[in-house]
Amino acid sequence: EDQVTQSPEALRLQEGESSSLNCSYTVSGLRGLFWYRQDPGKGPEFLFTLYSAGEEKEKERLKATLTKKESFLHITAPKPEDSATYLCAVFSWGGGADGLTFGKGTHLIIQP
Amino acid sequence: EAGVTQFPSHSVIEKGQTVTLRCDPISGHDNLYWYRRVMGKEIKFLLHFVKESKQDESGMPNNRFLAERTGGTYSTLKVQPAELEDSGVYFCASSQEWQGVTDTQYFGPGTRLTVL
Repeated sequence: EDQVTQSPEALRLQEGESSSLNCSYTVSGLRGLFWYRQDPGKGPEFLFTLYSAGEEKEKERLKATLTKKESFLHITAPKPEDSATYLCAVFSWGGGADGLTFGKGTHLIIQP
Repeated sequence: EAGVTQFPSHSVIEKGQTVTLRCDPISGHDNLYWYRRVMGKEIKFLLHFVKESKQDESGMPNNRFLAERTGGTYSTLKVQPAELEDSGVYFCASSQEWQGVTDTQYFGPGTRLTVL
């Protein structure tokens, strides 16, 4: 059974203070690892898909990286509008189900 | 391009009543998924349609839940009769797989269900 663990559960940063969020995963054959952003009262908003170890993707102040056991979401010089819950999810060949397996998320707060 | 839409946004019902949730996927997306998040837990997969066919309903909690996707367009998820533990946020997502590559799932805003 696929498992995803995200850390920390919550993170409070000052505006401009860079940091990283961690997503550790256990899967039977990774098809893809996804990062989503979720704002209160809304659905998950797609950020990145990573398919293989060593892959990196960037979007504005966010950069996602992938190894064989974990993924990091690096946030560089964050702004208050980056405050949200960041979700990590995996899709595997041998997980037994067709859907994504999610972690509980990291609740990020950026203070001005 | 319109995103995934869900209706209603909120529903409050009494235990034992029936509720039907609706999802309209992104136009042209053959794959439609239902997920649920109960308080304090992670989002969990319920089932997967490819067009009008159920591909995987391994995540459905019990036979009080019935999902349909007539004509391969919108989908409904009916809970009958509703129990207290069914409370949570129900998300729908859609994707368009091509050439066997895992495609991104785009999520709707969710329906918050409260069973009293």
